[in-house]
Amino acid sequence: DAKTTQPPSMDCAEGRAANLPCNHSTISGNEYVYWYRQIHSQGPQYIIHGLKNNETNEMASLIITEDRKSSTLILPHATLRDTAVYYCIVRVTGNQFYFGTGTSLTVIP
Amino acid sequence: GAVVSQHPSWVICKSGTSVKIECRSLDFQATTMFWYRQFPKQSLMLMATSNEGSKATYEQGVEKDKFLINHASLTLSTLTVTSAHPEDSSFYICSASRPAGGSDTQYFGPGTRLTVL
Repeated sequence: DAKTTQPPSMDCAEGRAANLPCNHSTISGNEYVYWYRQIHSQGPQYIIHGLKNNETNEMASLIITEDRKSSTLILPHATLRDTAVYYCIVRVTGNQFYFGTGTSLTVIP
Repeated sequence: GAVVSQHPSWVICKSGTSVKIECRSLDFQATTMFWYRQFPKQSLMLMATSNEGSKATYEQGVEKDKFLINHASLTLSTLTVTSAHPEDSSFYICSASRPAGGSDTQYFGPGTRLTVL
């Protein structure tokens, strides 16, 4: 079962930062936080993951609170192509992924 | 990058026939692959975990005799939907697990759209 809570939908203006929150209040110490996104009728695309430190890559930044009970995915300059459903998943390395309902992000021109 | 392919990308079949879907990790070896299905406007549902050289582990409620999984090599897993019926029509997605530092992550294929008439 999914152990995360995300808002069902969000809008963001093109060129602005998109901040997508995720609540994982029951996360265990050895569970990582993963973010994926799915554009309509495609397979999910890996974005980023982290354990407790903030992470950044060419796609996004992941901010994890100190108590690890929540995190935020930041897309620094949203484009129309970032319109997708974003999934936050917590899991122990090697274990299965269980997807929640995700956040449908719409980037508005 | 890590690339996972699926074949076919879409298939239409008659009720009662069997359909095989292939999942390949193109640039890495994956000891573990996963199969999901997704119905319209719903999230991905994990069907089974496939380990190379051993029997797949199925999620509760997934019929192992209907959804046959074979993981014959470190780069190939297949899902066969046997005696398909219209209710099996869905979007089937595979993923392959790749080590990443002290953790690992899953890379997903593009999906296979199955329509059973």
